[in-house]
Amino acid sequence: NAGVTQTPKFQVLKTGQSMTLQCAQDMNHEYMSWYRQDPGMGLRLIHYSVGAGITDQGEVPNGYNVSRSTTEDFPLRLLSAAPSQTSVYFCASSSTGGVGGQPQHFGDGTRLSIL
Amino acid sequence: GENVEQHPSTLSVQEGDSAVIKCTYSDSASNYFPWYKQELGKRPQLIIDIRSNVGEKKDQRIAVTLNKTAKHFSLHITETQPEDSAVYFCAASTQDPPSSNTGKLIFGQGTTLQVKP
Repeated sequence: NAGVTQTPKFQVLKTGQSMTLQCAQDMNHEYMSWYRQDPGMGLRLIHYSVGAGITDQGEVPNGYNVSRSTTEDFPLRLLSAAPSQTSVYFCASSSTGGVGGQPQHFGDGTRLSIL
Repeated sequence: GENVEQHPSTLSVQEGDSAVIKCTYSDSASNYFPWYKQELGKRPQLIIDIRSNVGEKKDQRIAVTLNKTAKHFSLHITETQPEDSAVYFCAASTQDPPSSNTGKLIFGQGTTLQVKP
C-alpha cells in the first residue's frame, strides 16, 4: 500500500501562475482534506471532501479550488499564485465512522514557493 | 467555527522528566481529539486520540485527558527520551453535518518539544 501520495514534492512558481497539487490515496478512504503548514500557525484546513462529488471549505479556502471526481483523487488548484501561498501543503485521508472522525493519514507534503 | 489553542509553543525537558501539553477548544460539539507528532521534515503522524465519551486514555508512556466541561484536553508524556523531540499538534473535530460521522479537523498551533539528554 502506498497510502497517501502527493506530487510534486517541491515546486517554485512565479506570482500569477497557476498549478495543481496532486493527491491520491489507495485505502478507499471517503474523507480527504488539504492543509497548509506555516511556521507558528500549525496546520490550517483549506478544503475537505466527505466523498466523491462532495467538497466543502475549511478555514483558509480563498485562492484555492478543489474537486473530487473519484474516491482516490483530490487535487488542489491554485488559480493565480501569490507569495502568501508559499507554504508546505499536506493532503490527508481517513475512513469514516466513529464519533467525530477517524485518524488522518497524511502524505509527505509539497513544498511550494511563490516568487 | 471551531478554534483550538495550544500551549506552550515550546517546551524543553530533561531526559526522564515528564512533559505536558495543553489544548483548549471553543466548540462544545467537538467530539474527537487526536494528537499528532511531526518530526523535522516529515509528515504528521497520529500518536493517540480520544473521543468525547472517554475521559482518559493511555498508551505506554503517552496519555491524554479530556475535560469536556472546561473544554480542554492534555497530552502527557512520561519518562521522556531524546527521540520524543518533535513538534506535537492537538486537534479537535466536529461532526459536519451534525448527523454525520465526519467533520472538520481543526489543529492547534503546535508545541516544539526538546528532550535534553
